[in-house]
Amino acid sequence: EAQVTQNPRYLITVTGKKLTVTCSQNMNHEYMSWYRQDPGLGLRQIYYSMNVEVTDKGDVPEGYKVSRKEKRNFPLILESPSPNQTSLYFCASRRKFETEAFFGQGTRLTVV
Amino acid sequence: GQQLNQSPQSMFIQEGEDVSMNCTSSSIFNTWLWYKQDPGEGPVLLIALYKAGELTSNGRLTAQFGITRKDSFLNISASIPSDVGIYFCAGQSTAGGGADGLTFGKGTHLIIQP
Repeated sequence: EAQVTQNPRYLITVTGKKLTVTCSQNMNHEYMSWYRQDPGLGLRQIYYSMNVEVTDKGDVPEGYKVSRKEKRNFPLILESPSPNQTSLYFCASRRKFETEAFFGQGTRLTVV
Repeated sequence: GQQLNQSPQSMFIQEGEDVSMNCTSSSIFNTWLWYKQDPGEGPVLLIALYKAGELTSNGRLTAQFGITRKDSFLNISASIPSDVGIYFCAGQSTAGGGADGLTFGKGTHLIIQP
């Protein structure tokens, strides 16, 4: 089954404790992105990647890192999480010349 | 980045009513997309529009790509309980909005009252 898989689905952590949210897609998509969803603000792009070893900042990249060492994986790293990073995070992927983006089920992160 | 104005922010309707929502932008888009997010899930594509003036249906859903390429609307006819969720418009252009030029609206939260 074609899908985008994020882990974990839920995470509660403390300020300053490094964490990684994993994202994997099995559709051989070139493009992958991370978004955060906050009430009243919709989906805002954090980082994106056009292919292996090619990443760039989206609209709200501060406090986040990403890597794209393999085509299927695009982890989101929070080196020192802060409470303002409490949010619902989505990973998405799509083919280079197609419009439909496929989203993961989301990761709800709470930083206390 | 580019801005999309999606309205209304939320809708409280009775089952069986028709629903209409829209997105407008100050920028031109080449593609308009409409996504639905069910509670606890990620957004799923409902309809994609590729040409100005295009009108496309998907079951009870109908969406149009505005002639000016700066707006789009989504209609849902005869709403049912499973229509509950958040609907997002997204515009795609060759410039801005990230690698794929995709900019999302803030969403319309549809609530259906029994």
